[in-house]
Amino acid sequence: DAGITQSPRHKVTETGTPVTLRCHQTENHRYMYWYRQDPGHGLRLIHYSYGVKDTDKGEVSDGYSVSRSKTEDFLLTLESATSSQTSVYFCAITRDSSQETQYFGPGTRLLVL
Amino acid sequence: QKEVEQNSGPLSVPEGAIASLNCTYSDRVSQSFFWYRQYSGKSPELIMSIYSNGDKEDGRFTAQLNKASQYVSLLIRDSQPSDSATYLCAGRGRDDKIIFGKGTRLHILP
Repeated sequence: DAGITQSPRHKVTETGTPVTLRCHQTENHRYMYWYRQDPGHGLRLIHYSYGVKDTDKGEVSDGYSVSRSKTEDFLLTLESATSSQTSVYFCAITRDSSQETQYFGPGTRLLVL
Repeated sequence: QKEVEQNSGPLSVPEGAIASLNCTYSDRVSQSFFWYRQYSGKSPELIMSIYSNGDKEDGRFTAQLNKASQYVSLLIRDSQPSDSATYLCAGRGRDDKIIFGKGTRLHILP
């Protein structure tokens, strides 16, 4: 257990509604990441953060925004959910100074109808 | 060539045998490589990391890296039914982000 929680764990929403997913860590790590995992695509990086208020885009950032106002929380917002954003979302942190060894949260299953 | 490639499987291996999982990578992937195990419905968990050419052993697991051939492998000795999972190969890209393969499903036959 890497001290990472995600909420909600499951969510069903409708197309066009905003959705916010939360990642919370208890170990004061600087780097946090949001991934989505889809069959046939594997894990793809959406956004990441390297400190409070410091974020950057990943491979599939369109339609997503993030915020990090506290070290322990990294929020992912789907501004207007689409069916193509139906996925499993994982948050990850890196523990060591090399920023390479990633530890994942339990995931959030999102269904957009 | 995709940055990190894996055969999706499933790879079926009898219990007690050696399971061999393979991964190739492109020039866009750098020096650090990782193997993650993911059970169905669960999150990925790190099994091994390898940074230099050669073999690295940890219990029943051995990671092998061949930079000249751009090839990473994971060997699981004395395979157990609990080893049945999807195995993700990952490498660090030139922009320092971790790039994941799509994973290989491994099925250990009792």
